[in-house]
Formats: sequence, C-alpha cells, structure tokens
Amino acid sequence: AQKITQTQPGMFVQEKEAVTLDCTYDTSDPSYGLFWYKQPSSGEMIFLIYQGSYDQQNATEGRYSLNFQKARKSANLVISASQLGDSAMYFCAMREGGIASKIIFGSGTRLSIRP
Amino acid sequence: KAGVTQTPRYLIKTRGQQVTLSCSPISGHRSVSWYQQTPGQGLQFLFEYFSETQRNKGNFPGRFSGRQFSNSRSEMNVSTLELGDSALYLCASSFSGQGVSIDTEAFFGQGTRLTVV
Repeated sequence: AQKITQTQPGMFVQEKEAVTLDCTYDTSDPSYGLFWYKQPSSGEMIFLIYQGSYDQQNATEGRYSLNFQKARKSANLVISASQLGDSAMYFCAMREGGIASKIIFGSGTRLSIRP
Repeated sequence: KAGVTQTPRYLIKTRGQQVTLSCSPISGHRSVSWYQQTPGQGLQFLFEYFSETQRNKGNFPGRFSGRQFSNSRSEMNVSTLELGDSALYLCASSFSGQGVSIDTEAFFGQGTRLTVV
C-alpha cells in the first residue's frame, strides 16, 4: 500500500537560510509521481514542485528543489534562501500510476521562518 | 485563468442537518477530487470524479456523496451531520487525474471550512 511519511512536525529556520523538509514514501508501483504542496494559514494548498518516478534529474522550481533518492524512497524538499513568507505547512504527496489513482498526503511539516 | 473556486468558504451547521459544498474546477480540467482535512486525521481522500463519473472513492461512510456535472463543476453532500464532520473540505482539479505526469498535478481551491455544532 502506498504511504507517505513526514517525520518533522515542526521546524524553525532563520530567514535567508536553506531548509530541507524530509519525505519518505512507500509504493510497489514502479510508476508514480511525487508532489510538494504549501498550505498557508488561509487554507489553500499551493502546488510547489513535481517529480516523476522515471525522471532522471531532480526537479527544480525557482527556490524549490526536490532531492529525489529513488533507492532510498526519499523525496526531500529543499528551499533555498528562506523568506518570511515561506512560513506555512508543507505537505509531501504521491500519486501512483494506475487508472483512477488518488493522491495521498503525508502528515505535514509546519515551517516557521524567524526574522 | 481562474483557479479552483469553492463555495461557500465558511459554513456552520447543526448536528443532524445536511450540507452541500460546491467546487468549480479550472477551465478545461475534467478531474475533481475532494479531501477532508482535520487536525487529527490530516488530509483524507473522499472521492474523485472524472467526466461525471465517480472514478475512485475513499473510506468514508455513505453519508458522504458527490456528483459532477457536464461542465465539470462538482458538488459534495454530507447528510446527517455529526460533530466529527467539522473540517476543512478541499477540492482539487486536474487535467486528467490519471497516470503520473505533470498533467496530473492537482490545483486546490481555498476550501470550505465546515463547523458542526
């Protein structure tokens, strides 16, 4: 069964520092996609970055990059040069490749950026 | 282009009542999924609709139901509300919602915060 694990309930980081949010996953499907979402206090889930299981290179989107280690089943999110606006909940999620597969989410990490 | 729109944003209902939540997906998106988010259970998948057909369903009681219209707009209904149904209900739309590609990236609305008293 597919599963997403985020082991950091909360993190505090100084502004302008880089931060890594951990995510491990479990699936028996060789085809899957990994997503990271940001949820500010307003509630909306904001898509950040996507990594496909067959992608050869780690995904990057601006200040966000995904450290994809397939053999270890890990997909950590790296935020470079953190900003105060990065304070939010962050969710790692996965969708398997089958028809009608659903997205499952980890329990999330609350990131707080200190000025 | 316009994002995913959920209405209403906030709702207070009494135990035993029923409620209908609405979701308008991004134009051109045919897949709509619903999630329940609570502090204790996190984000849980309710169901997904694609081209007016329920394509996948989570482990929720039959009191939770949904439908999708020909314009891809979706509604979720909860009957006989219980206190434990208090949650943020999120709707997500994606282009296909099938397979794994950037096209299955899900765009979320701001959610409907339901409080049952």
